[in-house]
Amino acid sequence: DGGITQSPKYLFRKEGQNVTLSCEQNLNHDAMYWYRQDPGQGLRLIYYSQIVNDFQKGDIAEGYSVSREKKESFPLTVTSAQKNPTAFYLCASRPGAGNTIYFGEGSWLTVV
Amino acid sequence: AQSVSQHNHHVILSEAASLELGCNYSYGGTVNLFWYVQYPGQHLQLLLKYFSGDPLVKGIKGFEAEFIKSKFSFNLRKPSVQWSDTAEYFCAVNPISGGYQKVTFGTGTKLQVIP
Repeated sequence: DGGITQSPKYLFRKEGQNVTLSCEQNLNHDAMYWYRQDPGQGLRLIYYSQIVNDFQKGDIAEGYSVSREKKESFPLTVTSAQKNPTAFYLCASRPGAGNTIYFGEGSWLTVV
Repeated sequence: AQSVSQHNHHVILSEAASLELGCNYSYGGTVNLFWYVQYPGQHLQLLLKYFSGDPLVKGIKGFEAEFIKSKFSFNLRKPSVQWSDTAEYFCAVNPISGGYQKVTFGTGTKLQVIP
């Protein structure tokens, strides 16, 4: 089945550790996105990528890093520099500009 | 930079009441607009979208939205809500300029429908 797969679904980490969230899509979509969802703040854009080997910062990129070495993969690393990393992270993709965005099921990250 | 405002954070309605959720965006150029819905425990899914043409857009489950360019608004409406419409609703804006891909979401509106 085609879709967007995020893993792991739940992740616990100690403060000060970097953690990488995986996002894979088999929809052949050019663009991929990472959002963070917090109660009362909606979805905030962390990073997005329009094509392979290219990505842009979103509105809250500090403390995060990404790579786009393959079209189907867009992993997000939450670094120790992120002040408040505990959140629900959503990966999304779409074929190109002006198209619908499709979302994965999300990853819950808890930093203790 | 574009932004989206959803002024209603939490709306409580009785079944059969009419619904209107506000969405205003800030961007001077041409945009695509979306409404997404997140039912409890489920992932985000598209409710409806506006790309061009008729400013009154119809979506799934009886929802519709009207794009008013002069007001930078894209309000979501439904004539008669059901208990199953209880969910969180997000408006999103995507500027259209040379393949520009940034999509910005609002803070969301939680809708609670009381049977």
